[in-house]
Amino acid sequence: QVQLVESGGGVVQPGRSLRLSCAASGFTLSNYGIHWVRQAPGKGLEWVAVISFDGSIKFFADSVKGRFTISRDNSKNTLSLQMNSLRTEDTAVYYCAKFETGTAPFDIWGRGTMVTVSS
Amino acid sequence: EIVMTQSPAILSVSPGERATLSCRASHSVTNKLAWYQQRPGQAPRLLIYGASTRATGIPARFSGSGSGTEFTLTISSLQSEDFAVYYCQQYSNWPPWTFGQGTKVEIK
Repeated sequence: QVQLVESGGGVVQPGRSLRLSCAASGFTLSNYGIHWVRQAPGKGLEWVAVISFDGSIKFFADSVKGRFTISRDNSKNTLSLQMNSLRTEDTAVYYCAKFETGTAPFDIWGRGTMVTVSS
Repeated sequence: EIVMTQSPAILSVSPGERATLSCRASHSVTNKLAWYQQRPGQAPRLLIYGASTRATGIPARFSGSGSGTEFTLTISSLQSEDFAVYYCQQYSNWPPWTFGQGTKVEIK
């Protein structure tokens, strides 16, 4: 069964850091690009970041640029979203979603991991 | 940035009836338009891509149409499991990839 699983969420104070991970089963993660999308409580979907299948291309939403980084190690089958200088407005469920190469929709989504930024 | 606008915000429909959801893009996205369904407490699921192609396993009662800036998602006969929030998304001009604000389909 093709699926993605996020982990690493939790409660963190403003200004602190958190690292989220995205793991794959049923397919080879290194063959696909991955997006991160978040959803604040009761709100809609907001695209956060993307990394290409080989890690050579990365983009970030303006709201997280300079604070979040994204990385992958295909030799270890790992993918991470490093979130620094967290703000209360970063509180959301964070989803990872895969896409085929090029311009493509987000075809498989994980179940999400909750990040709460609060003092 | 391409802004996606969905209407209505809430759509009240009786089971078995047809539901028509609209999505408008601020600039042309050609046919690079996807629809996602999100049931309560669940992750979004891809329904339609390329404006009109159903994703794997999506029932035929879901159909998409449109191109350029105007798009429609139609659910021909609503089933109980279809009551959810639906988002459109453009993947034509990026970054950023942008979503509409969602349409909630609720039971009338």
